[in-house]
Parts: sequence; C-alpha cells; structure tokens
Amino acid sequence: GDSVTQMEGPVTLSEEAFLTINCTYTATGYPSLFWYVQYPGEGLQLLLKATKADDKGSNKGFEATYRKETTSFHLEKGSVQVSDSAVYFCALRDNFGNEKLTFGTGTRLTIIP
Amino acid sequence: DGGITQSPKYLFRKEGQNVTLSCEQNLNHDAMYWYRQDPGQGLRLIYYSQIVNDFQKGDIAEGYSVSREKKESFPLTVTSAQKNPTAFYLCASSIGTGEWDTQYFGPGTRLTVL
Repeated sequence: GDSVTQMEGPVTLSEEAFLTINCTYTATGYPSLFWYVQYPGEGLQLLLKATKADDKGSNKGFEATYRKETTSFHLEKGSVQVSDSAVYFCALRDNFGNEKLTFGTGTRLTIIP
Repeated sequence: DGGITQSPKYLFRKEGQNVTLSCEQNLNHDAMYWYRQDPGQGLRLIYYSQIVNDFQKGDIAEGYSVSREKKESFPLTVTSAQKNPTAFYLCASSIGTGEWDTQYFGPGTRLTVL
C-alpha cells in the first residue's frame, strides 16, 4: 500500500539557517504530493503541493520538487524564521479514485533566535 | 469568512459515554473527512463522505459513526466501543474527490476520555 516516510525530528535550527526536511514515498502510479504545516494547538494548513513529476510547489519561501526517479518530495527553505516553528507533514494522494490522504509521521521544527 | 469550524476545541468525557464532535463548513464543498491524530503518528482516516447522505469507512472506522444529512455538516460520534478514544480529531473538506482536489482542515478537537 501507499506510505510516506519523513525525516524524524525534532529538528532545531537557528534563525536564518537553511532547512531541509526529507520525504520519500511509496505508491502505485503517479500520486499527488503535499506538505501540510501544523502550528501549536491548531489544525493542518496546506503549505504546498505538486501533482506531477518535476512540478515544484512553493509558498511562503518554502519549496518542494516532485522527483519521480527518487520518489521524493523534500521540503526546503533558504532562511528560516522563528515563526516557522511548527510540525510539518508530508502526504500523498494516489490518483486511482482513492480519496484518502496518506500522511507521514510529521517532523517537529523549532527555530531559535 | 469561509472555512471549517470544529467545536468544541477541548472535550472531556467519562469512559463508556458516547460523544459527538461537530464539523461545519461554509465552503460549499461536497466532500468531507474525519481524521484522528495521535502523538508521533501521522493522521489516519476514520470516515469520509463524498456527497450528502453517503459516507464510507476509512482505515480506522471501528468504534466511530458519522452522518451526512446536510452538505455543510459532518458530525462524528465516538462510541463506547472505541477502545482508545483519547486523541486529536481533525475534520477536513474538499470541493470533490478528484485528483486535483485539495483537502482543507479545521482547527481540531482534542478529546480526552477520563
């Protein structure tokens, strides 16, 4: 079945550092890929998405490229801020009529000033 | 403002009691979903509904029930048959269930069973 493997956290970085959170997936066919962010005590917000190979999703300075050859969708940001502290979830949705999102376990990111 | 509301934010119940969690959306979305989140785990799908008066079981439906009598509402009942109900529950909705349809999430309800 489908699965998503995320880099284990927690991850702690200094402000303005470069961020990478790794995400790899297993799926049949060509899934759509997502990054969601969860701020403390809140629900999930869609951060970015990509629906086909080589697509790059981007939002709020974050980027992720859909790499079919490596089955990866790593999240990157060039210069993180304290306000980026949150839990980040990678997710996929297969495109065979399955409505379910399959989530990774989440990576907790803490940015220190 | 359009969005998804869940109430209450925190809910406490005694073991053996049924409890119903509310989810309302004014986005005019056809599809709605319930997920459960446990510490250190990703979200797991409980139930989903593609249209009014129709719903399907997700991966962990046992001990839960839902109804979809109105397009904007998808309440979840956690029954006494659910063996480990303490968790964070998230409701989501999407325009439809096509491959391009993004799911948007509500703020969640944290249920604690004492």
